Order: sequence, then structure tokens, then C-alpha cells
Amino acid sequence: EVQLVESGGGLVQPGGSLRLSCAGSGFIFSNYWMHWVRQAPGKGLVWVSRIDSDGRNTNYADSVKGRFTISRDNAKNTLYLEMNSLRVEDTAIYYCAKVPIPGSGMDVWGQGTTVTVSS
Amino acid sequence: SYELTQPLSVSVALGQTARITCGRSNIEDKNVHWYQQRPGQAPVLVMYRDNNRPSGIPERFSGSNSGNTATLTISRVQAGDEADYYCQVWDSSTAVFGGGTQLTVL
Repeated sequence: EVQLVESGGGLVQPGGSLRLSCAGSGFIFSNYWMHWVRQAPGKGLVWVSRIDSDGRNTNYADSVKGRFTISRDNAKNTLYLEMNSLRVEDTAIYYCAKVPIPGSGMDVWGQGTTVTVSS
Repeated sequence: SYELTQPLSVSVALGQTARITCGRSNIEDKNVHWYQQRPGQAPVLVMYRDNNRPSGIPERFSGSNSGNTATLTISRVQAGDEADYYCQVWDSSTAVFGGGTQLTVL
């Protein structure tokens, strides 16, 4: 079964840091571009970041650029999101998702991990 | 910035046809993807590249894209179709989502 499982969410104070993980299974992880998408409470989906299959190229939403870093370890079939200088507005469920080929839809999503930034 | 416009809500009677739109100037030049998100669950891809259904998605779901509007059509709507629906396109290597449409089945 193709599966993505996120972990690492939690409660953190403003200005703090957190690292999210997304473990892939059931597919050849190293073949696919991967993405992070977040959803604030009661709001819509917002794209956060993406990384290509070998980790050489990354992109970020303007709202997280310079604070978040996406990376991957293909030997461990794991995607990461390092989040620094967290703000209250970063509070959201964070999903990882895979794209079968660049330009297509995100065909597999994890169940999400919740990040709460609050004092 | 690239923006996609969706109606906040659509209501449809059980067994009827629901149409959810996604608007942007010349959206026909883009491939549009659609996601269904039931309450408390992760999104699920229900249509990709305008009118292609992933494996496991019922034939009742169809898509089109022309001019300034892409449309997700759900025929013979069932109670289980009640969910939020999001359109999405790629702008360079970044993903852009519409604001989402809440589908209510009456």
C-alpha cells in the first residue's frame, strides 16, 4: 500500500523551531517530487514547499521563505520540513504529498500533523 | 500572484448534478486538478489534468476546462459526496489552490 505518514507536530512558542517528518512506503520514494501543504484551522489548502526527486531543487511560498527548509533523505524514504522563527500564523495541519509526474495532481497525501504556535 | 476563484458553497439535491467552478483568466491554458476533502480527513485527488479520474474515483465525477473556467461535475450526487472541493494548478514549480467550495447535499 502506498502511504505517507507525517510526524513531528506539536505546540511551540512564537519564535521557536520544529522539524516535521514524512515517511513514505509502498513506492520508490526517490523517484518523486514531494510537497508540503498546510491548512490553518477552518481555512483552505495552502502550498508551502516542494523538493525534486534528488533534493537538488526546492521552492517555497513567500510566507515561509527564509524560515522553512525542505529536505529529504532518500535512503530513509523520508521528507523533512525544518521550521524556524515560527509565528502564530504558521498554526496549521501540515500535509506531505507526492506528485506522480511534475505538473500532475498530488495523488497521495499523508494524514497530516498539527503544528500549534502559541504562547 | 496567481489566484483561483471558487464559489464558497454549492448546494444540490440528492441524486442531482453538482457543478463546482474554478475561475481565472485563460485558465484553459493550465492543467487543473481537483481534490475532495471530507471533514477531519486529508485531501483526496478526484480529477487530474482537467478531466482524468484517478483509479478508484467513480465515473460520476468528470471535469472540463475551457476559457476562463474549469468545472468539476458530480452526477447523481450521493450523501457521501458532501465535502470541500479544491481546484489546483501549477504556476512554475509552485502549487496554487483555489479557496475551496463546500458542497452540501440536500
